[in-house]
Amino acid sequence: AQSVTQLDSHVSVSEGTPVLLRCNYSSSYSPSLFWYVQHPNKGLQLLLKYTSAATLVKGINGFEAEFKKSETSFHLTKPSAHMSDAAEYFCVVSENGGATNKLIFGTGTLLAVQP
Amino acid sequence: KAGVTQTPRYLIKTRGQQVTLSCSPISGHRSVSWYQQTPGQGLQFLFEYFSETQRNKGNFPGRFSGRQFSNSRSEMNVSTLELGDSALYLCASKVSGETQYFGPGTRLLVL
Repeated sequence: AQSVTQLDSHVSVSEGTPVLLRCNYSSSYSPSLFWYVQHPNKGLQLLLKYTSAATLVKGINGFEAEFKKSETSFHLTKPSAHMSDAAEYFCVVSENGGATNKLIFGTGTLLAVQP
Repeated sequence: KAGVTQTPRYLIKTRGQQVTLSCSPISGHRSVSWYQQTPGQGLQFLFEYFSETQRNKGNFPGRFSGRQFSNSRSEMNVSTLELGDSALYLCASKVSGETQYFGPGTRLLVL
């Protein structure tokens, strides 16, 4: 069975400092992995996705993630945090590598950005 | 293109009632999935429809049902509502093999 584990439930950074949100995955297949962001009282927005092309994936708003098979990790990073980045972030794996529509979500990491 | 739309955005019901939520996918998207988000259980997959057929179903009781119409619009129904059904219900659509795009959700409160 496929799963994702988000290692931190809360992360707090200062504006202008780097962001690191950690995610480990478990998958029997070559996984399709995603990061989604959810701002308060809003739906989910796709930040980026990995589908076995380049291991370093660039997303929107300056975010990127690196797929590391040896570490089964897919950590999300951003060089410099903005106040507008404050939100909840979900690491997601697609069951069966994307053949179906079932997404399996991590428990989320709440990112706080201090001025 | 317009995004995924969900109606209503907010809903208050009482225990024992039933509710129907609606989702209109992005134009051209034939696949629609539904998810439930609660503080305790997080985001959980409910079901997936493609071309009016349920293709996959999550681990929810039979009180939760859905359907998809020929224009790809989808509805989900919850009968005999329980307090624990209070949640944000999210709908997502996609073109086959591509990324899922989520709507803003319907927030259901069961009193």
